[in-house]
Amino acid sequence: DAMVIQNPRYQVTQFGKPVTLSCSQTLNHNVMYWYQQKSSQAPKLLFHYYDKDFNNEADTPDNFQSRRPNTSFCFLDIRSPGLGDAAMYLCATSRSTGGLQPQHFGDGTRLSIL
Amino acid sequence: SQQGEEDPQALSIQEGENATMNCSYKTSINNLQWYRQNSGRGLVHLILIRSNEREKHSGRLRVTLDTSKKSSSLLITASRAADTASYFCATEDRGGAQKLVFGQGTRLTINP
Repeated sequence: DAMVIQNPRYQVTQFGKPVTLSCSQTLNHNVMYWYQQKSSQAPKLLFHYYDKDFNNEADTPDNFQSRRPNTSFCFLDIRSPGLGDAAMYLCATSRSTGGLQPQHFGDGTRLSIL
Repeated sequence: SQQGEEDPQALSIQEGENATMNCSYKTSINNLQWYRQNSGRGLVHLILIRSNEREKHSGRLRVTLDTSKKSSSLLITASRAADTASYFCATEDRGGAQKLVFGQGTRLTINP
C-alpha cells in the first residue's frame, strides 16, 4: 500500500549525462514536490506542481527541470549532472500547499555521479 | 529564507529514557510540523501544531510551541530502539509563501 513511490532507489550516472528520476502517487493529491537532501542536511525544496501549475524556487539551478504529465506521475530531469548534484532526491505530495497540510514522502532516490 | 534550527544536532540516550529536541525559528509562523526520517528513507509526518496552540500530544510524542520565544520542542517519552532516526521541524512563514522550510534536524540514537 505504498502511497508515494520513487524509482529507482539508487541511480548512478556519469558527469554530464542526463538523468531522470520518477515519482508516482496513489493518493490523488494535487501537489507534488521535489526536494534535494545532501548528507546530514535539511531537505531543500527545488520546485513543486499544484495540478499542472509549475512553481520553481528562485535558487533552483536551471540544470534541474520537472514534468508532470498527469496527476499520478512527476519526473525530475537533471540535464547535465555535476558532482555537486550527488544527493538524495525526495518526492512528496500533499492535498494542497501551505503548512496545514502534512506532506507524504517517498523513500527517495540516491543519486551518485561518477 | 526562514529555517528552523534544531538543537541538539545529535542526541544519544538509553532505551526507556525520554528524548527532547528543540526547534527555533526566526519569523512569525502559521504553524509548525515535525517529521521523522529513518536512515536512507523518506520523511514521515509526526505532528502539526498551529500557532494558536501551545501543546499537542500523539501517543508517546508531546510537542510544545512558544510563539513568544519562537521555539518548539518535541518530547519522545519511554524511547525505543525503533525511535532512532533524524527529526526535523518544518515551518510555514506567516508571510504566506505556502511552503515548508525544514530545519537541519536532530539525529537521535537510542541505545539498547
